[in-house]
Amino acid sequence: DTEVTQTPKHLVMGMTNKKSLKCEQHMGHRAMYWYKQKAKKPPELMFVYSYEKLSINESVPSRFSPECPNSSLLNLHLHALQPEDSALYLCASSHLMAGGNSPLHFGNGTRLTVT
Amino acid sequence: AQKITQTQPGMFVQEKEAVTLDCTYDTSDPSYGLFWYKQPSSGEMIFLIYQGSYDQQNATEGRYSLNFQKARKSANLVISASQLGDSAMYFCAMRVPLKAAGNKLTFGGGTRVLVKP
Repeated sequence: DTEVTQTPKHLVMGMTNKKSLKCEQHMGHRAMYWYKQKAKKPPELMFVYSYEKLSINESVPSRFSPECPNSSLLNLHLHALQPEDSALYLCASSHLMAGGNSPLHFGNGTRLTVT
Repeated sequence: AQKITQTQPGMFVQEKEAVTLDCTYDTSDPSYGLFWYKQPSSGEMIFLIYQGSYDQQNATEGRYSLNFQKARKSANLVISASQLGDSAMYFCAMRVPLKAAGNKLTFGGGTRVLVKP
């Protein structure tokens, strides 16, 4: 069983909807990540949070809005998405260590379909 | 700029045999880390093994071992005694140094492995 929990597992939304993806971990990790993965492609980094503060935004469109309410939770708020945003959204977490060699632990992902 | 390359898009392996998945990388940073992940059809990315650039010995984790050849910039994954449950997509990834804290992993294109009974 994964130690990073993502909900929902599947989500279908229209282009005018507002929805949120949720991620939770209880491993004491202080870095959390959102990745986007299109079919048959590798994951691509979207956001990095360290100590609950946004540290990296990989030029993600503003229709994706991340939020880190506390050290265990990470949300991704979605609004006015496009069909090309349909993908698997993966949440991950890791320790913050000197040298940054802590592996990322991923959740099962949310399969998002935008209609 | 860092780059990770997996040249094998897909491969078949007979159950109980060993399989080697290729991974080459390019970076100018002397300190880096290399990771291998397994992604079954369920979607979860499962961490398998890690190799640091300064590690003297090749990493091993159960049936997984990493053939690290620093001069050739390769970090191939060897899976011994393949099992049907090993059928999945396998990604090689490299840690990219971040000014901010955390790990940015850059992933290779992946290799799909299908284990035949």
